[in-house]
Order: sequence, then C-alpha cells, then structure tokens
Amino acid sequence: EAQVTQNPRYLITVTGKKLTVTCSQNMNHEYMSWYRQDPGLGLRQIYYSMNVEVTDKGDVPEGYKVSRKEKRNFPLILESPSPNQTSLYFCASSSPRVSAGGTYEQYFGPGTRLTVT
Amino acid sequence: GNSVTQMEGPVTLSEEAFLTINCTYTATGYPSLFWYVQYPGEGLQLLLKATKADDKGSNKGFEATYRKETTSFHLEKGSVQVSDSAVYFCALSHYSSASKIIFGSGTRLSIRP
Repeated sequence: EAQVTQNPRYLITVTGKKLTVTCSQNMNHEYMSWYRQDPGLGLRQIYYSMNVEVTDKGDVPEGYKVSRKEKRNFPLILESPSPNQTSLYFCASSSPRVSAGGTYEQYFGPGTRLTVT
Repeated sequence: GNSVTQMEGPVTLSEEAFLTINCTYTATGYPSLFWYVQYPGEGLQLLLKATKADDKGSNKGFEATYRKETTSFHLEKGSVQVSDSAVYFCALSHYSSASKIIFGSGTRLSIRP
C-alpha cells in the first residue's frame, strides 16, 4: 500500500529537549516536505527536499532542521524545542514525474501532534 | 506570489442541505487545484483535483470546477451527510514551486442530523 508514515503520532516534551520526528514514504517520490498546522493558519511549509541531499527552507523554518540521506526518509529535528513549536506536524511526499501524475499532488502522513511544555 | 483564499468557517448545515465552499486563487499560468479533507483526528486526504481550465474534479458526491476566468475552484455537494463533517482545504500547486502545495486556511464543516 502506498503510504507516508510518521512517528511518533503523539509527543509531549519539555523545552530544550532535542527530538526527532521520523517520516518515511514507499512511493519512490522525489519531493518530500514538512508542514505544520495551526488553527486559523492552515498548513505552512517548514522545509522541503527535492531529492537526496537536497533540502531547502520553506515558509517557517526557524527552530527546525531536516536531513535527506535516503530517498524514502525525511526526519524533522527540533534541536531545542520551545512552546511555540506546539503544533500538528505533517510530512508529505510528491513527484513531478508524468508517470506519477505530474500534478505534484502531495500524499500526507497521518500527522504528529507535538506539545512542548 | 501564489495564494489561495477560501471562505471562513465554521459552516453548519443540516443533513441533506446543499453545500458550497468558496475558493479563489492567485497564480500565473495554470496551476493544479486540489481540495483536501481532514476528518477529526486524521491526516489530510485528497478529495478531488483538477489540472486545467474547465476540468471538473469529483469524488464522494463532491464536485469542483476549475474556472480560469474567475480564478475559482468552489467545492459543492448536493446533499451533505453527517459523515461529511470535517475540515476542507483548498490548495494549489504550481510548476514554479513544485515542491510544495499552497493551502487555504481551511473551512470547518459541521452537519447536523
């Protein structure tokens, strides 16, 4: 089954304690992204990657890091989490290839609800 | 830049009512347009899409038509059900920023039995 998986689904942590949220896709997609969802703001892109070892900032990258060492994985790292990073996080993948539809339709993971106290 | 504007929620309707959620966009050329749905406690699912002018996307009784002349992609359903209660997001993707989708702020829909 084609899917994007994220772990953990729920996480409560304290300010300053480093954490990593994993994301994996099995569709051989080139593009992967992280979004955060906050009430009234919709989804905003944090970071994206267009292929292995190619990453770039999205709209709200401050306080986050990413890496793309393998095509299928795109972990999100919070080196020193703060309460304003309490949010619902989504990983997504897509492909520009015509064989994959060519519409850049994004496939989303189930979400990770993070609370930083 | 590219952007999406959708109607503010929440929207509350009775079962079997007609639904319209307005969505307009700003983009050059011909973006791809999407409606995503987020059911309570779940991630985003693609509901329907359209990739060129006058295309009509449809799924689960929902429809939306890509209107280039009005830069709109309104979501409609003729008879809503309680199970349609969710948050609906209009979104676009564009070749100039192919790595991401630009979302509207979302519209929460609640259906009363």
